[in-house]
Amino acid sequence: GIQVEQSPPDLILQEGANSTLRCNFSDSVNNLQWFHQNPWGQLINLFYIPSGTKQNGRLSATTVATERYSLLYISSSQTTDSGVYFCAVERTNTGKLIFGQGTTLQVKP
Amino acid sequence: DAGVTQSPTHLIKTRGQQVTLRCSPKSGHDTVSWYQQALGQGPQFIFQYYEEEERQRGNFPDRFSGHQFPNYSSELNVNALLLGDSALYLCASRPGLAGSGAQYFGPGTRLLVL
Repeated sequence: GIQVEQSPPDLILQEGANSTLRCNFSDSVNNLQWFHQNPWGQLINLFYIPSGTKQNGRLSATTVATERYSLLYISSSQTTDSGVYFCAVERTNTGKLIFGQGTTLQVKP
Repeated sequence: DAGVTQSPTHLIKTRGQQVTLRCSPKSGHDTVSWYQQALGQGPQFIFQYYEEEERQRGNFPDRFSGHQFPNYSSELNVNALLLGDSALYLCASRPGLAGSGAQYFGPGTRLLVL
């Protein structure tokens, strides 16, 4: 089956720093989503981005489907950005999301 | 516009017992999927329901079963609980069975099996 790899596994930043999280996937997909899981376990939708570039405030994401990777950019990080960031992909017509192992981000004040 | 809701939020059971978790999808969504998230792992797909039928299933034993009701809400049942079933159980919904469109997740149910 399709493999999803996220890097780095862990990231520690000072407040105000920028970061880039990467997601590689091993086969073509028709859906790619980025999530932020807060300490209470809630998966918060950040981006639905099967291809192209999107921006939402301090966050932006780019997916290059032909090269099978996606990047999540966090600028001017805040302590509230701490948590686990997941990339998840879906093969065409399967209906199921396949998650990476996540990147754990800690932003220090 | 209500998002995906799940109940209960927490649950403690003992080995061998049975448990039922509940999910109401986001307004306008008719497809519900269930995921299991063990500590330190990404969520794993259990199964998906659409038009009251199981449409896709992940690599989970038959102890895991589900149901979807005419109002699109869903239940996840786990029989003969094992210690390894302790996890966060997440429900997701989307409009339509497959194809394009984001899935939205509920807050989850934390199950502890003693």
